[in-house]
Amino acid sequence: EAGVVQSPRYKIIEKKQPVAFWCNPISGHNTLYWYLQNLGQGPELLIRYENEEAVDDSQLPKDRFSAERLKGVDSTLKIQPAELGDSAVYLCASSFAGAGDTEAFFGQGTRLTVV
Amino acid sequence: SQQGEEDPQALSIQEGENATMNCSYKTSINNLQWYRQNSGRGLVHLILIRSNEREKHSGRLRVTLDTSKKSSSLLITASRAADTASYFCATRQTGANNLFFGTGTRLTVIP
Repeated sequence: EAGVVQSPRYKIIEKKQPVAFWCNPISGHNTLYWYLQNLGQGPELLIRYENEEAVDDSQLPKDRFSAERLKGVDSTLKIQPAELGDSAVYLCASSFAGAGDTEAFFGQGTRLTVV
Repeated sequence: SQQGEEDPQALSIQEGENATMNCSYKTSINNLQWYRQNSGRGLVHLILIRSNEREKHSGRLRVTLDTSKKSSSLLITASRAADTASYFCATRQTGANNLFFGTGTRLTVIP
């Protein structure tokens, strides 16, 4: 079974440019998370989807960040315009929010460098 | 924002020794999970303990949970060089499906 797939793995852009990250969750997983991870820190939740609905985007900086999850499967996270402080690893995770406790499965992440 | 805090921030031990990491959290939880992250890689789930459980084992891993103190510990016995990684606790809050991570413990096992 394929895991969570993210692309690209690495991205270098100039500040003020737009950037987009893509995530393909594990088949059948209805919950999708986007996290931001700074060097030496734990992942910080940006947004959580249940199917195609963003049920918690309280930590998403909506002035420059946006996300969508088409048809409740793949998701994209966009930053426009990017700032130097956005340099970080962006992680996507998915899980099945059925009955009982569930673990989250993570992709390898996209390392963004804004110069 | 981080919902949990781990202690110590960094731990260095000799191969064969035991490693203990602690996690404190702030809110009522459904379960607490531990994840491992190798440098430059994604996180991998290790073990989950429910709020009504006090201790759980999985191979060389032992997790305890004290909901009255809002704390958990992860014990890795007979450590190996391959256990070198960062370890994070994550809490799934009561009434929500969010998964919040702690600040992490960087474990180095010296061969």
